[in-house]
Amino acid sequence: GENVEQHPSTLSVQEGDSAVIKCTYSDSASNYFPWYKQELGKRPQLIIDIRSNVGEKKDQRIAVTLNKTAKHFSLHITETQPEDSAVYFCAARDTGRRALTFGSGTRLQVQP
Amino acid sequence: NAGVTQTPKFQVLKTGQSMTLQCAQDMNHNSMYWYRQDPGMGLRLIYYSASEGTTDKGEVPNGYNVSRLNKREFSLRLESAAPSQTSVYFCASSENLSGNTIYFGEGSWLTVV
Repeated sequence: GENVEQHPSTLSVQEGDSAVIKCTYSDSASNYFPWYKQELGKRPQLIIDIRSNVGEKKDQRIAVTLNKTAKHFSLHITETQPEDSAVYFCAARDTGRRALTFGSGTRLQVQP
Repeated sequence: NAGVTQTPKFQVLKTGQSMTLQCAQDMNHNSMYWYRQDPGMGLRLIYYSASEGTTDKGEVPNGYNVSRLNKREFSLRLESAAPSQTSVYFCASSENLSGNTIYFGEGSWLTVV
């Protein structure tokens, strides 16, 4: 099955700085890579996703890049704000089960 | 629309007791999932149902059973609870398995003592 590794496990930045979270995956046939944000005590919610036929996708302050050759993808948050503080999960779709396999999560803390 | 609704929100069980977590979605989705979330381990797939009438094992199925009762409902049963099953359980659904957005329920906090 798919294996997704996510780094770092915790990340602290100053408000206004950029934050980058990186994930690697094992299944070279995986073709769908979403990112979820989970605020404390809340449910995970999709913030952005990318498919394997695209190298980069942006949505305002958030961007995701995908390197299929290296089997890694990254989340970039620019001009971070305190409300960006949360746990972020990357995921990849397992082509066997066709269900999402999640990374272990990154706790992002944005210091005002 | 309520989205994905799961019950109970909190439960304390004694080792060996059984219980069922209930989940229902009102988005007419074909696929449903049960994940567990443990500190430092992310979200791990327990079981999933690609469509009504089908269920499949995920990464960590041992100690659990599921029932896809109809298109709306997907329940998770712990037959003999163990402390290792203390976790937060999330039910989720998506239109189908082919890369669509997964919508999560609010979570069920289960403690086994």
